[in-house]
Amino acid sequence: AQSVTQLDSQVPVFEEAPVELRCNYSSSVSVYLFWYVQYPNQGLQLLLKYLSGSTLVKGINGFEAEFNKSQTSFHLRKPSVHISDTAEYFCAGYGGSQGNLIFGKGTKLSVKP
Amino acid sequence: DAGITQSPRHKVTETGTPVTLRCHQTENHRYMYWYRQDPGHGLRLIHYSYGVKDTDKGEVSDGYSVSRSKTEDFLLTLESATSSQTSVYFCAISRQGSNYGYTFGSGTRLTVV
Repeated sequence: AQSVTQLDSQVPVFEEAPVELRCNYSSSVSVYLFWYVQYPNQGLQLLLKYLSGSTLVKGINGFEAEFNKSQTSFHLRKPSVHISDTAEYFCAGYGGSQGNLIFGKGTKLSVKP
Repeated sequence: DAGITQSPRHKVTETGTPVTLRCHQTENHRYMYWYRQDPGHGLRLIHYSYGVKDTDKGEVSDGYSVSRSKTEDFLLTLESATSSQTSVYFCAISRQGSNYGYTFGSGTRLTVV
């Protein structure tokens, strides 16, 4: 089955600490992969995307993600988080039955002072 | 922003009443989507459109219908609202044949009482 799996539903972390949000995708999902961020009471905005080329992708707000084909993973990282990074993060890839984007269930990142 | 607006932003309605949500874009993108977001489920595709009067069902289409009479407008109708349709609804747009992901609206929070 086509799926995008986010391994952690919640990740608490202290300010200025590094963070990794994990995402795995099934082999039937296209390797066009995305991370979206959703701040409270807002829509989703694109954080970064992998289409091809370098496996390390840099996005906005200091986030980066690494595409790993052998492990079918696309983990999101930030070396030092801020309070303002508190949000829900969604991993997504093309693979729905209609060729649409399918989303993981989200990871809530909570940054504590 | 990318020129996509949803209306209304919030709505409370009674069980059994019809409800229509509107998505309007100014980007002239061919593809439009309706997703619902529920805790623990991430985003799930309800319906999508690949052109004027061309629509198709997503994974959770029961109880919903859509219409697209103009490129810029995509309407989602709940014919007879039920409490299980209480959710946050997001509209998204994408370019034709694009692997650049979707652009999302700000969402409509619908409560069915």
